[in-house]
Amino acid sequence: RKEVEQDPGPFNVPEGATVAFNCTYSNSASQSFFWYRQDCRKEPKLLMSVYSSGNEDGRFTAQLNRASQYISLLIRDSKLSDSATYLCVVNGEDSSYKLIFGSGTRLLVRP
Amino acid sequence: DGGITQSPKYLFRKEGQNVTLSCEQNLNHDAMYWYRQDPGQGLRLIYYSQIVNDFQKGDIAEGYSVSREKKESFPLTVTSAQKNPTAFYLCASSIVDSYGYTFGSGTRLTVV
Repeated sequence: RKEVEQDPGPFNVPEGATVAFNCTYSNSASQSFFWYRQDCRKEPKLLMSVYSSGNEDGRFTAQLNRASQYISLLIRDSKLSDSATYLCVVNGEDSSYKLIFGSGTRLLVRP
Repeated sequence: DGGITQSPKYLFRKEGQNVTLSCEQNLNHDAMYWYRQDPGQGLRLIYYSQIVNDFQKGDIAEGYSVSREKKESFPLTVTSAQKNPTAFYLCASSIVDSYGYTFGSGTRLTVV
């Protein structure tokens, strides 16, 4: 089983739609969770951290369900510029501050 | 502006050659990391270093080597022992005890 699993997509949605991605992680001891955005052939960039109580940043909402070991990202009012691959990321097992990356979910927003 | 620079952007390697990918940062970060990304896959950790003159293997270190002689620099050598080196290589840095990674723009290595 992969440490971090994501549906690869692509999710193809019209502008203005609401879209949600889920991600599951295998290590129940994980404490830190993130969503990164990666544009085609570019480096990943931090989109947002995910907090236990859930958190929102503009059109983006992240949720964490520790009992089920999954993380979600909700994007409201999708823009063309949201088209990218979204990587779910959790901390590694030891204390070295390594990050474990999922393979990503691809989002395509069409006009 | 502070940042992390990888060079070259594109690199072609012949079979049996060693090549070195450069990673330099001026963020005063102690920790540096090398990841490899294959198409449709997540990033996999090759090596990481949390302090000068010290580094540890990641999940896929075989066929790679690194050095950390200066805080700013963490070069990665892809040796001939790496049988499938074609990939996108990403370097990152962070302050110690932080998950706040800054990534370089990557080096795309192709074996010809």
